Amino acid sequence: ETGVTQTPRHLVMGMTNKKSLKCEQHLGHNAMYWYKQSAKKPLELMFVYSLEERVENNSVPSRFSPECPNSSHLFLHLHTLQPEDSALYLCASSQAARVSEQYFGPGTRLTVT
Amino acid sequence: GEDVEQSLFLSVREGDSSVINCTYTDSSSTYLYWYKQEPGAGLQLLTYIFSNMDMKQDQRLTVLLNKKDKHLSLRIADTQTGDSAIYFCAESSVDMRFGAGTRLTVKP
Repeated sequence: ETGVTQTPRHLVMGMTNKKSLKCEQHLGHNAMYWYKQSAKKPLELMFVYSLEERVENNSVPSRFSPECPNSSHLFLHLHTLQPEDSALYLCASSQAARVSEQYFGPGTRLTVT
Repeated sequence: GEDVEQSLFLSVREGDSSVINCTYTDSSSTYLYWYKQEPGAGLQLLTYIFSNMDMKQDQRLTVLLNKKDKHLSLRIADTQTGDSAIYFCAESSVDMRFGAGTRLTVKP
């Protein structure tokens, strides 16, 4: 595997379900990010991790819970989501937090029914 | 807050040049980026420019930066149908901020 990978690529879940999104980077980077991409809206930064420490949480509802067990892996745990949470969730990584170019995974297309 | 603005749509004929424009407001931006997103895929970094440069060329891509006007453009020479995608401008100072994306359609 190379670059940034994300699983699953597609996910359909009910509002009462619990699921997790997984991201893995194979670039030796120290920072990882979760973004939400909704139709007709700019990319929204959700969380930033640098060396496994969360350095940013942009007023994201508590039904989204990130986890970064090491610098190569990032999870987004989901529970009791709402239909408006349906979106493409993109993971990215960079050498250093915020200031260096980010490399993106292919995203997970989430549909909440 | 600081903004990054792009026009939403651009349509060109195959073989023509495409110019995608972007304006930003943060005067402390250090790097400016162009990303490409094809359907069903993540964002692919195309190129970036440091804020003390005014031009960067990479094969068919030319990036122009007017720091005084906070204007960034991406020119794609000899545009091909495979260039059809959404192009995002982004700037970073403390955080990276993205524009809403310009959908480029290339007609044969």
